[in-house]
Amino acid sequence: DTGVSQNPRHKITKRGQNVTFRCDPISEHNRLYWYRQTLGQGPEFLTYFQNEAQLEKSRLLSDRFSAERPKGSFSTLEIQRTEQGDSAMYLCASSHSSGTQYFGPGTRLTVL
Amino acid sequence: QQQVKQSPQSLIVQKGGISIINCAYENTAFDYFPWYQQFPGKGPALLIAIRPDVSEKKEGRFTISFNKSAKQFSLHIMDSQPGDSATYFCAASGGATNKLIFGTGTLLAVQP
Repeated sequence: DTGVSQNPRHKITKRGQNVTFRCDPISEHNRLYWYRQTLGQGPEFLTYFQNEAQLEKSRLLSDRFSAERPKGSFSTLEIQRTEQGDSAMYLCASSHSSGTQYFGPGTRLTVL
Repeated sequence: QQQVKQSPQSLIVQKGGISIINCAYENTAFDYFPWYQQFPGKGPALLIAIRPDVSEKKEGRFTISFNKSAKQFSLHIMDSQPGDSATYFCAASGGATNKLIFGTGTLLAVQP
């Protein structure tokens, strides 16, 4: 396994623009999670997929956020009409069934 | 009830000393308690984890102590090394999704 990969690693955007992040989980991991981490805080759960089905979304995930996992492989997280408060590290993790969650390196988003 | 409280916020230890980080939880449905290590600009990496059927787990220099009745668990790092300097997060999970609830983190600095 090559580990969880995330792209891009860094994204700088202007307020009001849309951004999309990609996560490639460890192959054959059926569970995929998105978390958000702000400076000096622990990661906070955003959403969870089991295969292609999005089974839980946090109240942190406003209507401007949408996530997909087509075919149960890679996942994308899109933020529409970005706000300065969206600036954070967006982390993806994957696991096999209820096993250990392995995290990717994250995408650092800066909204100007 | 979903919170995981972590202390101390920061810790300075001399090389060769013992680092101790504590966490407490409220939700008795939690059944998995991992510790993650995070270096600046990187995603969290699993260090060691425990389930509530055991009171202690040791892996090399890292030990988790678990007190189910007190709903507390702690990480002990023996013979702390400068390379251990990082942020440590405790977490807890349980239920169908297994989403992780993280503590606020402890910034550990091991002085040579």
